[in-house]
Amino acid sequence: DADVTQTPRNRITKTGKRIMLECSQTKGHDRMYWYRQDPGLGLQLIYYSFDVKDINKGEISDGYSVSRQAQAKFSLSLESAIPNQTALYFCATSDSRDRGQETQYFGPGTRLLVL
Amino acid sequence: GESVGLHLPTLSVQEGDNSIINCAYSNSASDYFIWYKQESGKGPQFIIDIRSNMDKRQGQRVTVLLNKTVKHLSLQIAATQPGDSAVYFCAENIGRGSTLGRLYFGRGTQLTVWP
Repeated sequence: DADVTQTPRNRITKTGKRIMLECSQTKGHDRMYWYRQDPGLGLQLIYYSFDVKDINKGEISDGYSVSRQAQAKFSLSLESAIPNQTALYFCATSDSRDRGQETQYFGPGTRLLVL
Repeated sequence: GESVGLHLPTLSVQEGDNSIINCAYSNSASDYFIWYKQESGKGPQFIIDIRSNMDKRQGQRVTVLLNKTVKHLSLQIAATQPGDSAVYFCAENIGRGSTLGRLYFGRGTQLTVWP
C-alpha cells in the first residue's frame, strides 16, 4: 500500500550495530504496528502503538525498541543487532474508528540482514 | 492462548480451477477475520474480511466462509489465475479487552497456479 512507506527497503548490518527502521503513513490512521516475518512463517507482532502516547509490547519485543514521533511516524530500533534478527520487517496501520473491523494496511517491508 | 493455523502449507492448482484455502482458529472470542495475500517481495494485501455474525461473504472472485462451530475459516478463489499465485494468510481479531485491535496471523499457505 503506497500510503504506508518504509525506509530503508533493504539493509545489511553487522552484529552489535544499532539500526533504525522507519515507517511513515499518509492514511491518517491512529494505530501503527511493527511485525517481523521469518521465511515460511506468519507475522509476529513486535510492538504496537494505539496513539502517539501509547506504546505496547507484542509477542517478540526483546531486543527491539520503538518510537512514535508523530501520528504518522513509527520507528523501530535494534539496539544491538544480532544475526537471528535477520528477517523481513513490516509496518502496518489501522484506524480505531473502524471499531471491531480494524483492517491493517501494510507497508512494502524492509529486508534486514545481520552479519 | 490464541492461535491461527493453516491446514496445508502449499496448494497447487491449474489455471481456471477453483482454489480453497483453509484456516483453523482456536479462540472462540475472535469476532473478526481477514484474509491477506502476500506476493513475493511485497507486504500483505487485504483481500476480504468477515465478522463473526456472518457465515459467508463474497467479493470479486473470492468468497470467505466462516464456521464458528468448528472454528474454521476458508477462502475460495474462483477461476484461479496465475496472478493469484502468492502466500495467503488468515488473521483473527479479538475485538475487545486488552487485545482490541490486534491481529493474530496464521503461518500462511503458498498457492501456486499452473498454466
